[in-house]
Amino acid sequence: ETGVTQTPRHLVMGMTNKKSLKCEQHLGHNAMYWYKQSAKKPLELMFVYNFKEQTENNSVPSRFSPECPNSSHLFLHLHTLQPEDSALYLCASSQGLAGGRDTGELFFGEGSRLTVL
Amino acid sequence: GQSLEQPSEVTAVEGAIVQINCTYQTSGFYGLSWYQQHDGGAPTFLSYNALDGLEETGRFSSFLSRSDSYGYLLLQELQMKDSASYFCAGDMDTGRRALTFGSGTRLQVQP
Repeated sequence: ETGVTQTPRHLVMGMTNKKSLKCEQHLGHNAMYWYKQSAKKPLELMFVYNFKEQTENNSVPSRFSPECPNSSHLFLHLHTLQPEDSALYLCASSQGLAGGRDTGELFFGEGSRLTVL
Repeated sequence: GQSLEQPSEVTAVEGAIVQINCTYQTSGFYGLSWYQQHDGGAPTFLSYNALDGLEETGRFSSFLSRSDSYGYLLLQELQMKDSASYFCAGDMDTGRRALTFGSGTRLQVQP
């Protein structure tokens, strides 16, 4: 069983659809993240949750709506998306919020490849 | 502001040594991490430097100089499987405790 699991791996949706991305971590971590990865661009932080509470919203449009029901699960609800939202959406978890070994090392899922038509 | 700059592509041959540089601009800084991502895969953690100097982990080493706002990842005895994208990521002192990533360096190892 992998540490961070994301479903679905691939998603194609129209601009008027509503869909959700799911992330589950089996590592006992306290923090979970959503990152957006587009070609030739840095991984872009979207949301951070620590102990189920949102600690960071990086000016993400409201058509992306996160949900964190517990420390092991994270969702990203999608509605009325635009074609430019097509990207790889990566979920990650960490024990703490710092960036380094033993505390804040990020463990990533393999991502959900989203295509908006 | 916060930004990390790294070269977009690097090519090297098997058995060689390659250095991937990362420069950053930020008003505050806790440390620099490096992640590896193979095509279609998840980014995976390689190393972290909180202090100046060299950290060595097998064939990979990472270096940080806070005074120069600069770090690098050194890969020795390159293997074909090292072909991947490499990202530096900064733990920035902005009140936000989450990593800011560079745009990545795609390493192509040739026979």
